[in-house]
Amino acid sequence: KNEVEQSPQNLTAQEGEFITINCSYSVGISALHWLQQHPGGGIVSLFMLSSGKKKHGRLIATINIQEKHSSLHITASHPRDSAVYICAVMYQGAQKLVFGQGTRLTINP
Amino acid sequence: SQTIHQWPATLVQPVGSPLSLECTVEGTSNPNLYWYRQAAGRGLQLLFYSVGIGQISSEVPQNLSASRPQDRQFILSSKKLLLSDSGFYLCACERNTEAFFGQGTRLTVV
Repeated sequence: KNEVEQSPQNLTAQEGEFITINCSYSVGISALHWLQQHPGGGIVSLFMLSSGKKKHGRLIATINIQEKHSSLHITASHPRDSAVYICAVMYQGAQKLVFGQGTRLTINP
Repeated sequence: SQTIHQWPATLVQPVGSPLSLECTVEGTSNPNLYWYRQAAGRGLQLLFYSVGIGQISSEVPQNLSASRPQDRQFILSSKKLLLSDSGFYLCACERNTEAFFGQGTRLTVV
């Protein structure tokens, strides 16, 4: 069982829609990362969270420590947002990042 | 700022040939370093991680090995590649909960 669960696995939406991708984890963490992977494979770090909420442009990431849950939101989605979005966590006391399986997002024009 | 250099970006190798992928980190010292593999259509799987020079932990049994000869250098190797070694290999660095990623290497074993 993967220690980091993402949902949905695949998401297709129309341009302009509000997008939510979810990430759940099993025990206490020191940090959670949201990453974006484009078809070429390169990975870009979007956010690092340990509490609360962060916003960058049309992207918003939230985390609820008590519920062990994080969400990534995209407002006014655009076809260029199409990518795989990956959640990764660093568990407290651990020394390794654990990745979720990723959510493949496709935004149609 | 921290950066990771990972090369090559793409690689085509015959079955049975050796492999060496290199990852170097700039802008930090004593980072935790990771090698991940992503098979086609799958998520990122941790292969090795290292918390210091010469310290390597392996997550899954496999045909690969890793070494960390210097603080900011992490190498993924194989003596004889298998077809099943094909995939996308990613180097990552973590320090004080901040994580950075290389651009990855797409390996095709033919």
